[in-house]
Amino acid sequence: AQSVTQPDIHITVSEGASLELRCNYSYGATPYLFWYVQSPGQGLQLLLKYFSGDTLVQGIKGFEAEFKRSQSSFNLRKPSVHWSDAAEYFCAVGAYNTDKLIFGTGTRLQVFP
Amino acid sequence: NAGVTQTPKFRVLKTGQSMTLLCAQDMNHEYMYWYRQDPGMGLRLIHYSVGEGTTAKGEVPDGYNVSRLKKQNFLLGLESAAPSQTSVYFCASSYLAENQETQYFGPGTRLLVL
Repeated sequence: AQSVTQPDIHITVSEGASLELRCNYSYGATPYLFWYVQSPGQGLQLLLKYFSGDTLVQGIKGFEAEFKRSQSSFNLRKPSVHWSDAAEYFCAVGAYNTDKLIFGTGTRLQVFP
Repeated sequence: NAGVTQTPKFRVLKTGQSMTLLCAQDMNHEYMYWYRQDPGMGLRLIHYSVGEGTTAKGEVPDGYNVSRLKKQNFLLGLESAAPSQTSVYFCASSYLAENQETQYFGPGTRLLVL
């Protein structure tokens, strides 16, 4: 069965520091992978997605993620975090010709000035 | 385009009361979804629809019903609310899911069942 694991429930970084949020998935076929961000009191906004091709994916707000099939991972990175990046981040996995996404439990990011 | 909108934004119910949450999208999307979000649980799919007049169960469908009478609207009903249904409910929509098109989310409905 498909599953998504986000090992870090809560991460705190200083503004300007680099960031990596971890995401591991379990799926037998080639996965489609997504990162969403949720600001407090808001809905989810898509940051980036991977369907195929280049394994390094660029997203909005300066985020990128790298698909590593050998590690079943799709970690989200940002070289320099801004205070406005404080939010909850969700990784999700889907597959070709299926109707549904499976979401991870989320990682809450706190940014200190 | 308004995108995906949800009504109401916030509601308090007493146990046993019923209510309907409305989701509307103006992007001509075929697929629509209802999720609930609970602390430490991420998003869990309640029901979804692959087109007008069709619905299907998701991961946690018990206690909820849905209807998709019009392509642009997807209603989530609670016939007899329970405190366990206290949650934040998100609606989403997407084009055909064949290529796992991106899901677009509404702002959420916060529901408190006393």
